[in-house]
Amino acid sequence: DIVMTQGALPNPVPSGESVSITCRSSKSLLYSDGKTYLNWYLQRPGQSPQLLIYWMSTRASGVSDRFSGSGSGTDFTLKISGVEAEDVGVYYCQQGLEFPLTFGSGTKLEIK
Amino acid sequence: EVQLVETGGGLVQPGNSLKLSCATSGFTFSTAWMNWIRQTPGKRLEWLAQIEDKSNNYFISYLESVKGRFTISRDDSKSSVYLQMNNLKEEDTAIYYCTGPGGAYWGQGTLVTVSS
Repeated sequence: DIVMTQGALPNPVPSGESVSITCRSSKSLLYSDGKTYLNWYLQRPGQSPQLLIYWMSTRASGVSDRFSGSGSGTDFTLKISGVEAEDVGVYYCQQGLEFPLTFGSGTKLEIK
Repeated sequence: EVQLVETGGGLVQPGNSLKLSCATSGFTFSTAWMNWIRQTPGKRLEWLAQIEDKSNNYFISYLESVKGRFTISRDDSKSSVYLQMNNLKEEDTAIYYCTGPGGAYWGQGTLVTVSS
């Protein structure tokens, strides 16, 4: 199975600061179609996860352009430009390349 | 508006069965590949099963550890997807979510507690 490993944030983060959340996969998520099958989700307190980014860098419908995804085949970054109170929660990366689909353990964001 | 509503969770004893349902609306269900994902008490997310659409012969994939115990199915006429869970174990305790294509849509989840 592909193992997804996420980094931690130096919480709490001052409001307005930019942060980067890292994720690493144990296998390249770059497929032969040129797409990298890496998703990012945000789970706000008491809510279900919500898709932020798919194919490593494509924002999902309705997602603020403060969120951006980047990376290579195995190392990925979710950048939040100017964190706001509504960004609080746990961020998960997930690989969609092969079964079983697997998730990182989550990165918690707290705001000062 | 897209909606996914899971039902059927509850408290069940080890070894017993439970069937979860997920009723959807607001998107073209018949062509959507649907998944069940669970979140453990420790907040870990675990993918369980996927069912593809009719054009892909309703192809099904399972997490190895639930294969033979869990069965995913769908009814396109009702825009619903199901998860039959048999021989439940305490480690199956979790919130169970159904999700729409590519993880774009999630329900609110239904809590399954397996305990004697």
